[in-house]
Amino acid sequence: EAQVTQNPRYLITVTGKKLTVTCSQNMNHEYMSWYRQDPGLGLRQIYYSMNVEVTDKGDVPEGYKVSRKEKRNFPLILESPSPNQTSLYFCASSLDRSGAGTDTQYFGPGTRLTVL
Amino acid sequence: GESVGLHLPTLSVQEGDNSIINCAYSNSASDYFIWYKQESGKGPQFIIDIRSNMDKRQGQRVTVLLNKTVKHLSLQIAATQPGDSAVYFCAVLDPRFQKLVFGTGTRLLVSP
Repeated sequence: EAQVTQNPRYLITVTGKKLTVTCSQNMNHEYMSWYRQDPGLGLRQIYYSMNVEVTDKGDVPEGYKVSRKEKRNFPLILESPSPNQTSLYFCASSLDRSGAGTDTQYFGPGTRLTVL
Repeated sequence: GESVGLHLPTLSVQEGDNSIINCAYSNSASDYFIWYKQESGKGPQFIIDIRSNMDKRQGQRVTVLLNKTVKHLSLQIAATQPGDSAVYFCAVLDPRFQKLVFGTGTRLLVSP
């Protein structure tokens, strides 16, 4: 089954404790992206990757890191989480090679992160 | 850049009614629009898209209408079913930055 998976689905942590949220897709997609979703705001892009070893900042990259060592995986790293990073996070992938985002994006199920 | 707004945070309908969810955008040069459905506890799911060279596109029980004059698009769901209960939001491609800008969503509640 074609899908995007994220782990963990739920995470409660404390300020400053490094964490990684994994994302994996099995569709051989070139483009992958991380978003955060907060009440009253639309999805906001954190980082995106157009291909292996190619990553770029989205609209709200501060406090986050990513890597794309393999095509299928795109982990999101919070080196020193803070309470304002409490949010619902989504990973997405698409076949789109231009990064324009016009190809259908497939979203993962989401990771609900709480930073105390 | 582009900004996207939705008119109603919540829409309540009866099963079998037609539902209309609206979205407004700011940049008249925007040329690609998508509607997503997000069920509770799940990620957004693509429903239908439309390009600016069209003003209407139909899918299965869904229709998207685009009015470029007033920079407005709508999603119409025919014969709404309880399974349609979800948050619906539009996304607009910012023509300058070539990135999708997402609206905040309308929660559709369908009662039997």
